[in-house]
This record gives sequence, C-alpha cells and structure tokens, in this order.
Amino acid sequence: AQKITQTQPGMFVQEKEAVTLDCTYDTSDQSYGLFWYKQPSSGEMIFLIYQGSYDEQNATEGRYSLNFQKARKSANLVISASQLGDSAMYFCAMRERRSYNTDKLIFGTGTRLQVFP
Amino acid sequence: SAVISQKPSRDICQRGTSLTIQCQVDSQVTMMFWYRQQPGQSLTLIATANQGSEATYESGFVIDKFPISRPNLTFSTLTVSNMSPEDSSIYLCSVDRPSQGAYNEQFFGPGTRLTVL
Repeated sequence: AQKITQTQPGMFVQEKEAVTLDCTYDTSDQSYGLFWYKQPSSGEMIFLIYQGSYDEQNATEGRYSLNFQKARKSANLVISASQLGDSAMYFCAMRERRSYNTDKLIFGTGTRLQVFP
Repeated sequence: SAVISQKPSRDICQRGTSLTIQCQVDSQVTMMFWYRQQPGQSLTLIATANQGSEATYESGFVIDKFPISRPNLTFSTLTVSNMSPEDSSIYLCSVDRPSQGAYNEQFFGPGTRLTVL
C-alpha cells in the first residue's frame, strides 16, 4: 500500500530564512504524482506545488520548490525567504491511481511550520 | 484554480441530529471528493462522487452514515447522519483540475468545521 511519511511534527524558521520540510513516500507504482498543500488555521487546503514521477526537473512555484529524489523516494518542500504568513500546517500527498478517473490522494500527517520575526 | 464554496462554514450540532454540507464549484467537473479531517489529524477520503452515479465510499465509511448527492456537474452535498461527538471534524470537498502533468491537480473548498455536542 502507498504511504506518505512526514517525520517533522513541527518546525521553526526565522523570517527571510529558507526551510525544508521533509516528505518520504512508499509506492510500487512507476507513475505517481506528489503534492504539497498548506493549511492555515482557517482550515482551508491551499495547493502549493506538484511533481510528477516522470518529471526530470524539480518543480518550482515562486518561493516554493520541490527537492525530488526519486531513488530515495523523497519529495521535500523548500520554502525560500520565509514570511510570517507561511506559518501553517503543511501536508505532503501522493496521488494513487486505482482505475481511470478514480484517483485518490493519500496524505501525510503534516508538519506545523512557525515563522518568527 | 477552481473556485469552490462550501456551506455552512461551521456549525455546532446536537448528537443524534444530521447536517447537510453543500459544495458548489464555479465550473463543471467530473469528480468531486469529500474528505474528513479529525482534530489534529490528516485528511481522510470519505467518498468520490460522480454525477449520475452512486458515490464510491472508502473503507470505513458507509452510505447510511454519509449519504452523498451529486445532482449536476457543479454541485454536491454530504450529509453527516445521526451525529456523535466523534464526528466533530473539518469536512472538505475537492475537485480535480487538469494540469500539464500526468496527474490532475486537486483543489479544496474552504471546509466546514463541525462540532457535535
């Protein structure tokens, strides 16, 4: 069965510094998608970035980048130049393809990031 | 990204009652997903709802407890029936959006924060 592991329950980072949030995954599929979401205290889930298993380049979206190491089955999120508004829970997720049009997202347990001045 | 709205945004209910949560999307989508996030936990998929067919429930979730309707391609409802305090959670609907990659991106509504007394 597919599984997502986030080993950091909490992280602290100073404003303007970079931070890496860890994510490892387990799958026997050759084709899969990896996602990161941000969840502020309001509860909404905000899509941040996506990496496909066959993508040769690491995904980037503004201050977010994904350090994808396929052999190690890791997909760490790097946030550069942290801002106070980045304080939130961050979830790593993997797309599990079961059959056509019935994909399922499997989520990790999350990492709570706190940015301090 | 998709614009997804949910009603109500939060509610406090008495045990034994039922609550229906509405999810509205700004454009037509094939699949809509319902997730539950219990306090301090990650997200768990309840069911997948396709228009014109019965919802597909995940292991541990049954139609009698969580009936779902999908009357058209932009709307769905999830009912939490015969509620108990263990049903206190955030309930989120989500939809797929095609991406340039091999896997669709999944966007979430703002969530419904339910407290059962």
